[in-house]
Amino acid sequence: GAVVSQHPSRVICKSGTSVKIECRSLDFQATTMFWYRQFPKKSLMLMATSNEGSKATYEQGVEKDKFLINHASLTLSTLTVTSAHPEDSSFYICSATVGGAGELFFGEGSRLTVL
Amino acid sequence: GIQVEQSPPDLILQEGANSTLRCNFSDSVNNLQWFHQNPWGQLINLFYIPSGTKQNGRLSATTVATERYSLLYISSSQTTDSGVYFCASNTGGFKTIFGAGTRLFVKA
Repeated sequence: GAVVSQHPSRVICKSGTSVKIECRSLDFQATTMFWYRQFPKKSLMLMATSNEGSKATYEQGVEKDKFLINHASLTLSTLTVTSAHPEDSSFYICSATVGGAGELFFGEGSRLTVL
Repeated sequence: GIQVEQSPPDLILQEGANSTLRCNFSDSVNNLQWFHQNPWGQLINLFYIPSGTKQNGRLSATTVATERYSLLYISSSQTTDSGVYFCASNTGGFKTIFGAGTRLFVKA
């Protein structure tokens, strides 16, 4: 099956710093990737849709300037949490489809803790 | 947008028991997936099932698209089946929306 890899799996940072999370499709080209956020014991909330070579589409209520998404190649999308604060602490998961609106495959997730 | 509802929210089973998890969706869907989230947070693909029935070992799933629901069957449950089960769907665009999940605990 399609493999999506996410890095880092865990990150702890100080308040005010920026953190970058990478999402790679290892064995397929992903024209579209998605970023989700998950709070403890809650479901996954779609943050943004990332299209290769164009600006990401953010869901209502998600701050574009806080969560910078770049999709520079067909195998890599990055999420940068800028000027992180403790309320940004969460589990962030990326996903990609093979062939547009088809089956989703997920990365391992990244657990961010902001002190 | 599409609404995805799952039931039951929580389920406790004795090892060896069978169970059925349900997913209702508010609109016709282009795809429907079932996932198992393990204790480390990894989402494991179980089924991609916009319609029809599929089986994989002790798990099977059925989606009745015309009636807007999908069922996940777990037979002879094992402790390793514990975790959260999510269904997710989209209506043909690129946005896949998740249900709230069913939290399953299988007792030894």
